[in-house]
Amino acid sequence: DTGVSQDPRHKITKRGQNVTFRCDPISEHNRLYWYRQTLGQGPEFLTYFQNEAQLEKSRLLSDRFSAERPKGSFSTLEIQRTEQGDSAMYLCASSNRGRSSGANVLTFGAGSRLTVL
Amino acid sequence: RKEVEQDPGPFNVPEGATVAFNCTYSNSASQSFFWYRQDCRKEPKLLMSVYSSGNEDGRFTAQLNRASQYISLLIRDSKLSDSATYLCVVNHGGATNKLIFGTGTLLAVQP
Repeated sequence: DTGVSQDPRHKITKRGQNVTFRCDPISEHNRLYWYRQTLGQGPEFLTYFQNEAQLEKSRLLSDRFSAERPKGSFSTLEIQRTEQGDSAMYLCASSNRGRSSGANVLTFGAGSRLTVL
Repeated sequence: RKEVEQDPGPFNVPEGATVAFNCTYSNSASQSFFWYRQDCRKEPKLLMSVYSSGNEDGRFTAQLNRASQYISLLIRDSKLSDSATYLCVVNHGGATNKLIFGTGTLLAVQP
């Protein structure tokens, strides 16, 4: 598998439930990003990992959101007590660190679409 | 003010037309610039990087004006398959190299 994989692709849940999304980045990529995208908007940055370290979190990420990358490979994004406003596409992306022309270019997964009823 | 601003469109153009998209960014420390393409209900994919000297890839030409903090994308001889949303993307700078996306400009090429 040479791409970024996300699971599940679609999730429908009731308000108040917890949901978890998984991202498997490109294996040699050490940087992993989570973005959120709503209709008519560009992707909004949520958080960033370099290897297993979470180095930045957006103010968009409330206390109900938590992300992990325990072994520096796959990552999970959990949303607790979901609200209707959490409905969005959650995109994971990975990249390499380096000075080559391909470094810092993000490769996105297909996304996990969340619908909160 | 948004960090990256684009005209959301839509731009409706006939096949064969030339169309230009513009984008401005607010962070003067930004060092890398890109155009991504996003098809309906798909993930964004890199179209091209934008270099200070300007660069061309087939029918696509990207330009950067650091003094004005302005980026452009020109598409010549538009094809039906060019219909998509074009996202202007700027590296925020700093240690994380996070990319900041504009809202995107929707292009619809008509037969």
